[in-house]
This record gives sequence, C-alpha cells and structure tokens, in this order.
Amino acid sequence: EVQLVESGGGLVQPGGSLRLSCAASGFTFSSYWMSWVRQAPGKGLEWVANIKQDGSEKYYVDSVKGRFTISRDNAKNSLYLQMNSLRAEDTAVYYCAREVRYQLLTSYYYYMDVWGKGTTVTVSS
Amino acid sequence: QSALTQPASVSGSPGQSITISCTGTSSDVGGYNYVSWYQQHPGKAPKLMIYDVSKRPSGVSNRFSGSKSGNTASLTISGLQAEDEADYYCSSYTSSSTWVFGGGTKLTVL
Repeated sequence: EVQLVESGGGLVQPGGSLRLSCAASGFTFSSYWMSWVRQAPGKGLEWVANIKQDGSEKYYVDSVKGRFTISRDNAKNSLYLQMNSLRAEDTAVYYCAREVRYQLLTSYYYYMDVWGKGTTVTVSS
Repeated sequence: QSALTQPASVSGSPGQSITISCTGTSSDVGGYNYVSWYQQHPGKAPKLMIYDVSKRPSGVSNRFSGSKSGNTASLTISGLQAEDEADYYCSSYTSSSTWVFGGGTKLTVL
C-alpha cells in the first residue's frame, strides 16, 4: 500500500525550531518529487516547498524562504522539513504529498496524488 | 504567489449539478494544463479528484469532471450526493516551478 506518514509536530515557542519527517512506503520514493503542504486552522491549503528526486532542486513559498529547509534521504525513504524562526502564522497541519511528473508521448502530467494524514505544528508562547 | 480565486461556498440539492470555478493568471492556470482538484472532508487529508484539468484518477466517480477556459478552471459535480459535501480546492503548477492552491470552496448538499 502506498503510504506517507508525517511526524515531528508539536508545540513550540515563537522563534523556535522544529523538524518534521515524512516516512514513505509502498513505492519507489527516489523516483518522485515530494512536497510539503500546510493548512492553518480553519483555513485553506497552502503549498510550502518541494524537492526533486535527487535533492538538486528545491522551491519554497515566499513566506518561508530563509526559514524553512526541505531535504530528503532516499536511502531511508524519508522527507524532512526543518523549520526555524517559527512564527504564530506557521501554526498549521503539515502534510507531505507525492508529486507525479511524467511525460507520455507529447503529453505531460503534473499533480500531487498521495497525501499523508498530517502532523500538527502549534507556535505559541 | 497569490492564491487562486474560488467561491467561498456553493450548494445544491441531491441529484443536481454544481460547478466550482478557479481563477488564476497566465502564470499558472492559464499557462499550464496542470490544474488539479482536491476534495477534503473535515479532519481528513485532501483527496485527488481531478488532475491535468480534466483527468480522473482511478476510483473517482465519473460524476466529477473538470475543464478550463483561459485563466479559469472549473470542477463540475453531477448527480450530487450527500457524501459529496466537503471542501474543494483547486491547484495549479506555476511558472516559478511552484504550486498554488485556491482558497477553497465549501460544498453544501441541501
């Protein structure tokens, strides 16, 4: 069964740090781009960051640039999100998601198809 | 990186059809056929319903369909059922090699 399981969430004070993990199973992790998406309480989804299969490309939403770092360990089938200088507005459920990107003849396919259940991060004093 | 624009809420009676719009720019929705739609029930993870504007993943009912015209994508749900009541989000790949989501639409089945 294809599965993503997030962990590492918790309560942290403003200015603090937290490292989220996402354990992948049931598919060849090293073949996929991976993303982090968050959802603040009562709000919509917000894409946070993604990383290429070999870690050579990483992209971030403007609001976390310089504070968050996405990384992966293909040997451990794991995705990470290091979050520093946390703010109250970073409070959210954080989901990891698998990105599908492939080309079939002249057609390209880009979407996020598998999501974890999320881990909750609360930034508060 | 502005969010895509969706109506906050839509409603319909069982058996009816509804359409949810998703408006972006030429840098996202209008520039790529990489628009996806997600269904999210309260307390649950998002579920992929439509990808690449109009394609349905295996296992998703054919009552769900997608389309796009210019900078606006649409999700249509026909033959509304009680279990369709949920939040729906559109998403698009962007020219900055990032993703952007819509603000979400709450679907109420009357």
